[in-house]
Amino acid sequence: LAKTTQPISMDSYEGQEVNITCSHNNIATNDYITWYQQFPSQGPRFIIQGYKTKVTNEVASLFIPADRKSSTLSLPRVSLSDTAVYYCLVGAGTTDSWGKLQFGAGTQVVVTP
Amino acid sequence: NAGVMQNPRHLVRRRGQEARLRCSPMKGHSHVYWYRQLPEEGLKFMVYLQKENIIDESGMPKERFSAEFPKEGPSILRIQQVVRGDSAAYFCASSPQGGNEQYFGPGTRLTVT
Repeated sequence: LAKTTQPISMDSYEGQEVNITCSHNNIATNDYITWYQQFPSQGPRFIIQGYKTKVTNEVASLFIPADRKSSTLSLPRVSLSDTAVYYCLVGAGTTDSWGKLQFGAGTQVVVTP
Repeated sequence: NAGVMQNPRHLVRRRGQEARLRCSPMKGHSHVYWYRQLPEEGLKFMVYLQKENIIDESGMPKERFSAEFPKEGPSILRIQQVVRGDSAAYFCASSPQGGNEQYFGPGTRLTVT
């Protein structure tokens, strides 16, 4: 499974855009990039998933450069309720990683007024 | 459509007792995963099951832990002869098919005294 590296923490103010970059130099050809959000004492919540270029949904955007060795999760106009830990994961592209999510330490995002 | 349900939400066991954690996947989901989150640590994959089959148990401790997902009823994670080190939050997730997009339950917080 490809290892990921992301910042330990990020601080932001309400209304700002937050961009979290994740490095995954050893990503395999068939791997997808997935981001989860976790609030204290809750299970993780799927945010977005992509393979290449750009993916956007009602919550976030995911930017993936051509070499796919990194990706950036963009949270537009964050609010206090976006304070959470954000995890970047890669995998589900080969049989031995199918379904086995490998969570790292994640990025603690703190949004203040 | 109800989400993933786990019960109990909190479980207290004395050392040496057995703990049984239940997980009901989302309707229509036949893939179930169990993860463990130790205090101040990230989530660790334990086991991946489909109906009546264990697909991947590479994250399960070799002794005292077992999991099942019978044809009828919830998935069960069973921990025999619990020790203090088993105290953690145990999360179940489900998906309609294997892969990175999984839906997590609220977790069961096990405390071993």
